Amino acid sequence: AQTVTQSQPEMSVQEAETVTLSCTYDTSENNYYLFWYKQPPSRQMILVIRQEAYKQQNATENRFSVNFQKAAKSFSLKISDSQLGDTAMYFCAFMKHTGANSKLTFGKGITLSVRP
Amino acid sequence: NAGVMQNPRHLVRRRGQEARLRCSPMKGHSHVYWYRQLPEEGLKFMVYLQKENIIDESGMPKERFSAEFPKEGPSILRIQQVVRGDSAAYFCASSTAGRGNYGYTFGSGTRLTVV
Repeated sequence: AQTVTQSQPEMSVQEAETVTLSCTYDTSENNYYLFWYKQPPSRQMILVIRQEAYKQQNATENRFSVNFQKAAKSFSLKISDSQLGDTAMYFCAFMKHTGANSKLTFGKGITLSVRP
Repeated sequence: NAGVMQNPRHLVRRRGQEARLRCSPMKGHSHVYWYRQLPEEGLKFMVYLQKENIIDESGMPKERFSAEFPKEGPSILRIQQVVRGDSAAYFCASSTAGRGNYGYTFGSGTRLTVV
């Protein structure tokens, strides 16, 4: 079974600064996908970024980027130029590569607060 | 495209009543997933359905919970004889065939409160 660990329950960052959210996972799979989801107070789960395990290049989406260390089973999210709208819970998630559709295993999440 | 629609957004039930949660996937999506989020927890997988078929129900409690995704109409998550421990946010997500690993589209969830 896969497990996803987010050990920091909450973090705070000043607006316009950079923050890194940590995530580690445990799996015996070689091919898989990793995701970061954002959950603002509206409760909507929003996909932030996605990484394919067989790709060494780290994924980037505008101000969001990841540091994917496959050997260490680490998948951290870096948010640059933090904005007030980034305040939310962030969840790291894992998906096995078993065909095209599979279930997500989530971490417990981290609450990020961006201070004005 | 209206996205994944879940209703009701909030649902209050007394212990012993039935709860029915509805999910309409995005247009063109034929795969539906249900997840449950307990307070201070991440989402936990419950069930994965395609039209008229349950593909994976490994996360569903053995009793009182059932799910369906009929040929016509929304997917329904049904909880019979609710107990206080069923209080949680229930999320539905959908994807097209072959695109689940690109990340699902989630609905805004139904918050179930059992009193």
